Amino acid sequence: QQPVQSPQAVILREGEDAVINCSSSKALYSVHWYRQKHGEAPVFLMILLKGGEQKGHEKISASFNEKKQQSSLYLTASQLSYSGTYFCGTEPQSGNNRLAFGKGNQVVVIP
Amino acid sequence: EAQVTQNPRYLITVTGKKLTVTCSQNMNHEYMSWYRQDPGLGLRQIYYSMNVEVTDKGDVPEGYKVSRKEKRNFPLILESPSPNQTSLYFCASSLGSGDTQYFGPGTRLTVL
Repeated sequence: QQPVQSPQAVILREGEDAVINCSSSKALYSVHWYRQKHGEAPVFLMILLKGGEQKGHEKISASFNEKKQQSSLYLTASQLSYSGTYFCGTEPQSGNNRLAFGKGNQVVVIP
Repeated sequence: EAQVTQNPRYLITVTGKKLTVTCSQNMNHEYMSWYRQDPGLGLRQIYYSMNVEVTDKGDVPEGYKVSRKEKRNFPLILESPSPNQTSLYFCASSLGSGDTQYFGPGTRLTVL
């Protein structure tokens, strides 16, 4: 039931764009995205809810395809600070806030 | 400041010596969870709690216990730690379903 994240790693230059993906085999209520820097706690980026509502705190966009149970996170005009490991957490349709996290997408932004 | 705190941040112990990792949140959140993070495996849920006195197993509960006697506290107990429990542990809390999970700073545990 762990979601599958792809690609495993991305290297991009400052200013370039990237898309990272999260796919689940289960019907979902919400998808959460977090970014983790080495040795630190995961930090919230975005929540996408069934029905299209989005909640986010940063200028990062994402989409949630409810039919396919897939979510994509769009890193646009990447900055050095975008480097880190991105985790998606999926919440099943029961909405019990019990998140299953993927193994992460490692993103490295170079000057 | 709204936060989730964990103690201790680092712990080295020996096999079989009972230990407790504390977790506390000051946001009046209903939901609390414990995760362990191992290289290449992502975050795996150990236990979660939907409210006071309501706890349930996550994906990897073996060897762990929890309790939720007060809303703000959710301690993780290892009755008889073993080396395969060496890991980075995170506590998290959230207001409810579909809401942000706030993570504590993490506890790095080494069991010799």
